[in-house]
Amino acid sequence: KAGVTQTPRYLIKTRGQQVTLSCSPISGHRSVSWYQQTPGQGLQFLFEYFSETQRNKGNFPGRFSGRQFSNSRSEMNVSTLELGDSALYLCASSGGTSGSAGELFFGEGSRLTVL
Amino acid sequence: ELKVEQNPLFLSMQEGKNYTIYCNYSTTSDRLYWYRQDPGKSLESLFVLLSNGAVKQEGRLMASLDTKARLSTLHITAAVHDLSATYFCAVDRNNQGGKLIFGQGTELSVKP
Repeated sequence: KAGVTQTPRYLIKTRGQQVTLSCSPISGHRSVSWYQQTPGQGLQFLFEYFSETQRNKGNFPGRFSGRQFSNSRSEMNVSTLELGDSALYLCASSGGTSGSAGELFFGEGSRLTVL
Repeated sequence: ELKVEQNPLFLSMQEGKNYTIYCNYSTTSDRLYWYRQDPGKSLESLFVLLSNGAVKQEGRLMASLDTKARLSTLHITAAVHDLSATYFCAVDRNNQGGKLIFGQGTELSVKP
């Protein structure tokens, strides 16, 4: 069974640019969530999508957005990049219902460097 | 606001020793997760604890959950170098998965 796949794995952008990251969840998983990991702030929840709808949202500015497609694949976008957006962005998938264990399975991450 | 706190944040152990990592959280939740992260790598799921009193063991690691005390522990028995990693606990606020609040992580170093 294929795991969570994230692309690209590494990317370098400059301030003011925008970036789109992609995530393909485990087959059958309907929930995709995104996390930002930095040395200073640790792991922070960005947002979660379930069946193409944003179900939960973290405390990030509107420059951070996402969406989910009918095949459960998800993308997140960061516009007007700032130096502080440099981070490892992790995508995770899960069954997504209260009847499931809720265990998240993480992808390898996309490491974004903003210069 | 839900807060999850781990201690210690850094732990240097000798091989063969035992130690416990603590995870406290501030609001009611019945779901707690432990993850492992190796440097430069993603998060690997270790344990899923879904009810009060849950105890799970895998190799030299054992995790438990006390929802009344809002406390989970990760016990390491007879540590070996391969256990060196950062360990995170995380709490599911909504009991439906997806949105986890993570602790700061405990960086474990096991030395010969």
